[in-house]
Amino acid sequence: DQQVKQNSPSLSVQEGRISILNCDYTNSMFDYFLWYKKYPAEGPTFLISISSIKDKNEDGRFTVFLNKSAKHLSLHIVPSQPGDSAVYFCAASEPGANNLFFGTGTRLTVIP
Amino acid sequence: GAVVSQHPSRVICKSGTSVKIECRSLDFQATTMFWYRQFPKQSLMLMATSNEGSKATYEQGVEKDKFLINHASLTLSTLTVTSAHPEDSSFYICSARAGTGGSWEQYFGPGTRLTVT
Repeated sequence: DQQVKQNSPSLSVQEGRISILNCDYTNSMFDYFLWYKKYPAEGPTFLISISSIKDKNEDGRFTVFLNKSAKHLSLHIVPSQPGDSAVYFCAASEPGANNLFFGTGTRLTVIP
Repeated sequence: GAVVSQHPSRVICKSGTSVKIECRSLDFQATTMFWYRQFPKQSLMLMATSNEGSKATYEQGVEKDKFLINHASLTLSTLTVTSAHPEDSSFYICSARAGTGGSWEQYFGPGTRLTVT
């Protein structure tokens, strides 16, 4: 049972434009959400996170938006750069839990 | 930032043999380490959680006798795939967490590609 879903397996964007990656979840107990970036044959690296008490968190070119009522979060990258090309995973955790629930990932390709 | 290493990065073994994968936290003490498995084009699936000095907690559906986890020190955890079969071929990733931080304070290793022939 996939509690975190990324319905778009891939996304292509022109360099300089905005990339929007989407993530949906089913577990209303999740209180912390994260985005990870992963290059081939490497482990995920943490990108940005958001607590359920917020609806937006911004860090440089990266902004994460959380819509709790829709159980939806999105990652905006602007402007997109070729080096952003990677697989992006969203993840979520329950209060006090050790583990993360990952989505299936979205492969972003930024075209120069 | 915190660095987690894994060894080997890739391994090919014959069916029926055992393979050990090491996960090390290089510049911090990891009280908790996690082992994930990723199939092609699929999500990372948590296999087990291990705390230093105690037995690992396995997720439902993961055979603890097949995937032996040892977390003998604060910087090292090992995953041994026993009597490996071709269906065990996968990408195995460990992560480590320091202290009692929130779940986001997990640092991932680079992963190990296991191919069982």
